[in-house]
Amino acid sequence: GAVVSQHPSWVICKSGTSVKIECRSLDFQATTMFWYRQFPKQSLMLMATSNEGSKATYEQGVEKDKFLINHASLTLSTLTVTSAHPEDSSFYICSASRPRWTNTGELFFGEGSRLTVL
Amino acid sequence: EDQVTQSPEALRLQEGESSSLNCSYTVSGLRGLFWYRQDPGKGPEFLFTLYSAGEEKEKERLKATLTKKESFLHITAPKPEDSATYLCAVQALQGAQKLVFGQGTRLTINP
Repeated sequence: GAVVSQHPSWVICKSGTSVKIECRSLDFQATTMFWYRQFPKQSLMLMATSNEGSKATYEQGVEKDKFLINHASLTLSTLTVTSAHPEDSSFYICSASRPRWTNTGELFFGEGSRLTVL
Repeated sequence: EDQVTQSPEALRLQEGESSSLNCSYTVSGLRGLFWYRQDPGKGPEFLFTLYSAGEEKEKERLKATLTKKESFLHITAPKPEDSATYLCAVQALQGAQKLVFGQGTRLTINP
């Protein structure tokens, strides 16, 4: 089956620093990747849709200047949390879908990255 | 606006006690309805995709069904290892392939 890998799985940083999280599709090319955020005991909230070779589409209320998304290749998308603050502490999860022509419509998720900002 | 509501929020069962989880949805044209399992501190693990009313899919002790307004995840004779949060999500026909998630059902199976 498809595998989506995230790195790092957890990170602790000081307030004001920036943190980069990588999301890779390991055995398929993903034209679209999604970034979600999950607070404790809550469901996943979509932050942005990342399209290879173009600008990301952000959901309402998500600051694009704080959460920088880059999708430079068909297998890699990155999320950079800039000038992180304690309220940015959360579980960030990416997902990737197979190309449309396979018609599976399935989305596979990474293992998540837990960010703690001190 | 696409919405997904799951019930109950939490469910405790004894091992072997069958039950069902509910997922009610409203969507402007359904591309697919997804069920995922999520263990603490992990990303969601794909279980099923259902595409049209009347469709059913099974995997071990789990069976998912779909109507035009809701989906059920039936758990037959559950075991403690089935304890997890079960997430339901819908994907609309329009726009990108993003998922809209429900809040999940935390299932605990006691031995």
